[in-house]
Amino acid sequence: NAGVTQTPKFQVLKTGQSMTLQCAQDMNHNSMYWYRQDPGMGLRLIYYSASEGTTDKGEVPNGYNVSRLNKREFSLRLESAAPSQTSVYFCASRGPDRVTEAFFGQGTRLTVV
Amino acid sequence: RKEVEQDPGPFNVPEGATVAFNCTYSNSASQSFFWYRQDCRKEPKLLMSVYSSGNEDGRFTAQLNRASQYISLLIRDSKLSDSATYLCVVNIREGGSYIPTFGRGTSLIVHP
Repeated sequence: NAGVTQTPKFQVLKTGQSMTLQCAQDMNHNSMYWYRQDPGMGLRLIYYSASEGTTDKGEVPNGYNVSRLNKREFSLRLESAAPSQTSVYFCASRGPDRVTEAFFGQGTRLTVV
Repeated sequence: RKEVEQDPGPFNVPEGATVAFNCTYSNSASQSFFWYRQDCRKEPKLLMSVYSSGNEDGRFTAQLNRASQYISLLIRDSKLSDSATYLCVVNIREGGSYIPTFGRGTSLIVHP
């Protein structure tokens, strides 16, 4: 029962480097989300995808891009990492009904130096 | 102002105590409500959904008051293992989608 799988779990980048965080779910969910969590800030939405082929900005999209590759996969790309992007990143997916809960991946701890 | 507000705590209680957490939401497009639990450096996991009639799961009771836009979580007979951060989550309708929107979390520390 994999659920939502994120890779990598840990990453250290230098300022200006790029990287892609991968996320895949095996629950046949339409909706997928990327959040970042910083101390004292809770989880803030970066981007979401309501269905395959669509993506929308969340609360904190600057500095990020996303790709909904297919129904299973939703990736987050940092084109030019900045120290302010040091955070824990969580991918989540959710079923179609308004009352269904979100399921989370284990998170990626990213440090930008 | 955040759409989902929680008292960050920490709530520091002895084993066996009863503790209550509150959460308020401001968006009238809020459709469904949840409490999640997050352990240190781990992903959030669903604790329980919150229904209009109130619901109970063992030592945990959740209540929803739509008129006051208020959600609560009551934990009875606290255990050491209940120590965690409790996140209030609201699915808010945006266009044709529902966005899980989080409060900042309430930290609970249960001590012997």
